[in-house]
Amino acid sequence: SQELEQSPQSLIVQEGKNLTINCTSSKTLYGLYWYKQKYGEGLIFLMMLQKGGEEKSHEKITAKLDEKKQQSSLHITASQPSHAGIYLCGADTPGGSQGNLIFGKGTKLSVKP
Amino acid sequence: DTEVTQTPKHLVMGMTNKKSLKCEQHMGHRAMYWYKQKAKKPPELMFVYSYEKLSINESVPSRFSPECPNSSLLNLHLHALQPEDSALYLCASSQDLTINQPQHFGDGTRLSIL
Repeated sequence: SQELEQSPQSLIVQEGKNLTINCTSSKTLYGLYWYKQKYGEGLIFLMMLQKGGEEKSHEKITAKLDEKKQQSSLHITASQPSHAGIYLCGADTPGGSQGNLIFGKGTKLSVKP
Repeated sequence: DTEVTQTPKHLVMGMTNKKSLKCEQHMGHRAMYWYKQKAKKPPELMFVYSYEKLSINESVPSRFSPECPNSSLLNLHLHALQPEDSALYLCASSQDLTINQPQHFGDGTRLSIL
C-alpha cells in the first residue's frame, strides 16, 4: 500500500525566515494535495500538483512535485505567524478505492514573532 | 470561510444517546466524505458517497450510520457510541470521485462521549 512520509515532524522558525516541508511517497504520485490545519479546525486546501516537475505558488507558499513524481516540497518564504499550523500532504490512491485520500502524518509549524 | 458547513461545532453525548452530525455544501459537488480525526493524527476516511449512493465504507462500526438525503446534504447518525469515538469528525466534498479532484473540508464537529 502507498505511504506518505512527511519531514520534519515539527518546525519552529523565527518570523521572516524561509522554510521547507517535504512529502515523500513510497509509490508514484498521481495527484498530490497540500492542506493546512489549525488545531481543532478543518483542513484548508492549499494546492494540488499533478505533473512531474510542476510548481505552483499562492502568496508566499510554493509547492513542487519532482520529475519522478515521488516527492513534493512546500516552501514558505518570509514566514509570518499566520503561517503557523499543521501542514498535511495527501495523495490519490489509483488502483485503490477512488476518493480514498491517504495523508502524511503532518508537519507542525510554529512561527515565533 | 469554508464552503462546507458542519453542525454542530461541538457535541457532548452519553453512550446511550442518539444524535446526528450534519454537513452541507452548495458547490455542486457530487462526492461527499466523512472522516474521523484523533488528536495529533491525520484524518481517517469513514464513508464516501458518490451521487447520493454509498461508495465506500471503511469497515466502520454500525453505531455510525451515514445518510445522504440529497446531493447537498450528508448526515452521520450516532447511536450507542463508546468513549474512544471521541474525536473531530470532518466532512468533505469534491467534484466527483475521479482523481485530481481536491476535497474541500468543513470545520468539523468536536465530539465528546461521556
